[in-house]
Amino acid sequence: AQSVAQPEDQVNVAEGNPLTVKCTYSVSGNPYLFWYVQYPNRGLQFLLKYITGDNLVKGSYGFEAEFNKSQTSFHLKKPSALVSDSALYFCAVRDNKNTDKLIFGTGTRLQVFP
Amino acid sequence: DTEVTQTPKHLVMGMTNKKSLKCEQHMGHRAMYWYKQKAKKPPELMFVYSYEKLSINESVPSRFSPECPNSSLLNLHLHALQPEDSALYLCASSQEPRGFSSYNEQFFGPGTRLTVL
Repeated sequence: AQSVAQPEDQVNVAEGNPLTVKCTYSVSGNPYLFWYVQYPNRGLQFLLKYITGDNLVKGSYGFEAEFNKSQTSFHLKKPSALVSDSALYFCAVRDNKNTDKLIFGTGTRLQVFP
Repeated sequence: DTEVTQTPKHLVMGMTNKKSLKCEQHMGHRAMYWYKQKAKKPPELMFVYSYEKLSINESVPSRFSPECPNSSLLNLHLHALQPEDSALYLCASSQEPRGFSSYNEQFFGPGTRLTVL
């Protein structure tokens, strides 16, 4: 079965420190991977995606993600966290059996402390 | 215009009411989606429209009825809902539906917070 796992419910980091939000996936065929962020009482905002090519993907607001095929991972990173990065982060993979669908992870709450 | 708009922002309805949620995008996207999201959970797909035709219904109860009047508009008609239907309802759109550039990202609206009493 195709799936996405976000093993951490919450990640805490001090402002200015690097952050990592973890994501692993399981799909049949090529993975098409996405990261979204959700602020309270708002919709999801697209951050970045991996389709093919360079394993390091750069996205919005200084975020980047590293695709690792051997570890089936797509971790979200940022070199220096901001308090305003505090939000709920979702990793998603395209369902290759039904390509209109995204399979979402359970979400990771990022808390950045001043 | 690079956004998806949803109205109303908040909706409170009784179990016997009929109401509608509205979603609009002017990005020329040909795929539109309805999701339901409970607090602190990922969005759950409900319906997908591709080129104004319903392509996916995720076994959603018939008290939810989607409609796509044109390529820019998506409605969700609500009737005889239950309290457990209270949630954030999200609309999204993407550039091309399946079979084409189906790895295009989805753009989400801010959602309608629905409370069923």
